[in-house]
Amino acid sequence: DTAVSQTPKYLVTQMGNDKSIKCEQNLGHDTMYWYKQDSKKFLKIMFSYNNKELIINETVPNRFSPKSPDKAHLNLHINSLELGDSAVYFCASSQELRGKLFFGSGTQLSVL
Amino acid sequence: DAKTTQPNSMESNEEEPVHLPCNHSTISGTDYIHWYRQLPSQGPEYVIHGLTSNVNNRMASLAIAEDRKSSTLILHRATLRDAAVYYCILSPRGSTLGRLYFGRGTQLTVWP
Repeated sequence: DTAVSQTPKYLVTQMGNDKSIKCEQNLGHDTMYWYKQDSKKFLKIMFSYNNKELIINETVPNRFSPKSPDKAHLNLHINSLELGDSAVYFCASSQELRGKLFFGSGTQLSVL
Repeated sequence: DAKTTQPNSMESNEEEPVHLPCNHSTISGTDYIHWYRQLPSQGPEYVIHGLTSNVNNRMASLAIAEDRKSSTLILHRATLRDAAVYYCILSPRGSTLGRLYFGRGTQLTVWP
């Protein structure tokens, strides 16, 4: 079983659309994250949830809204998509806020 | 956050040892040194971490300089599967690992 799984793997959409990326972890971890990897391959934290509570919000536009229905899931909804949102989005989880991170395999988002 | 400096790329032959350097001259006394790697089209994967003493696990060894201003990730026998981008990251004790900036890392190429 995949420890951290995210869907879809590829997402191609038009500017202005709204889209969601889903993430699930079966590791029993209590902390989940969303990271963004841009075209230059820099990987940056976007959000972190601990026990369904938002812990980290790293200067991300309001168009991005994470939602954690339970400890095992952290979804990312993006409104009014822009060209600059094109990137690979990774979900991750850890046991506690300082534990080692386990990443999903990423969602390649292309905004046309 | 203390910064790290890594070579952009390194090459190795299969079954040879690989020494991946990382400079962190501004490291503080409470910073942990973490290594992650990212295989092609995958999310980052934890490799190893340490504070002061050298560390070994099934994947690699971490050699930390006595003054802690540099460290070296050692892959004892490189395989083709070890071809990846390797990230050296500093994590202050007590901080949230998820806040940290992964940087560009070192692209390791392994030749058969």
